[in-house]
Amino acid sequence: GEDVEQSLFLSVREGDSSVINCTYTDSSSTYLYWYKQEPGAGLQLLTYIFSNMDMKQDQRLTVLLNKKDKHLSLRIADTQTGDSAIYFCAVTPGNDYKLSFGAGTTVTVRA
Amino acid sequence: DTGVSQDPRHKITKRGQNVTFRCDPISEHNRLYWYRQTLGQGPEFLTYFQNEAQLEKSRLLSDRFSAERPKGSFSTLEIQRTEQGDSAMYLCASTGQNTGELFFGEGSRLTVL
Repeated sequence: GEDVEQSLFLSVREGDSSVINCTYTDSSSTYLYWYKQEPGAGLQLLTYIFSNMDMKQDQRLTVLLNKKDKHLSLRIADTQTGDSAIYFCAVTPGNDYKLSFGAGTTVTVRA
Repeated sequence: DTGVSQDPRHKITKRGQNVTFRCDPISEHNRLYWYRQTLGQGPEFLTYFQNEAQLEKSRLLSDRFSAERPKGSFSTLEIQRTEQGDSAMYLCASTGQNTGELFFGEGSRLTVL
């Protein structure tokens, strides 16, 4: 599988914006995902983007894709305490949806 | 049907015992995936099915692991002669044809003593 790298921790103040970054190695990645995992729970699909897009916005979430640098980011506007969780970046090279995940970024929202 | 369901949610077993996990995908999703997640890591792909056909198995899936999806609906993942290293969360996911959306269940956590 390919390598997907994420920073491990992010601390953000409530109400501020959070930006979680991800880099990947396979330039043929066609689908790129962000998942959220709360303690003891499964993965919740937050959003995904196709490789032919540069940006996708969905309410408080904005995904940016820089294909040249193989860099994906997730911005959460107006971060709330309920956003505290582990966020996983995942990519897949084709329509088999065999995802390669990063190790996850633990986001802590402080009051 | 509101999502992918997995059973049991938690399983504690002694080394050497066999365990089986079940996954019920979202209705009419033709693809079903199994992943394994260890503490502090992201999920790792194990295997996937399109309908009843098992199309790919990861090298992580040793001979002690077997997965089935006999009627193209629910799937089972069996681990024989469990080892302590098998302790992990086993996640199931499903998707429809060409939707781009892969939905995960809540997982089955295995602890091997």
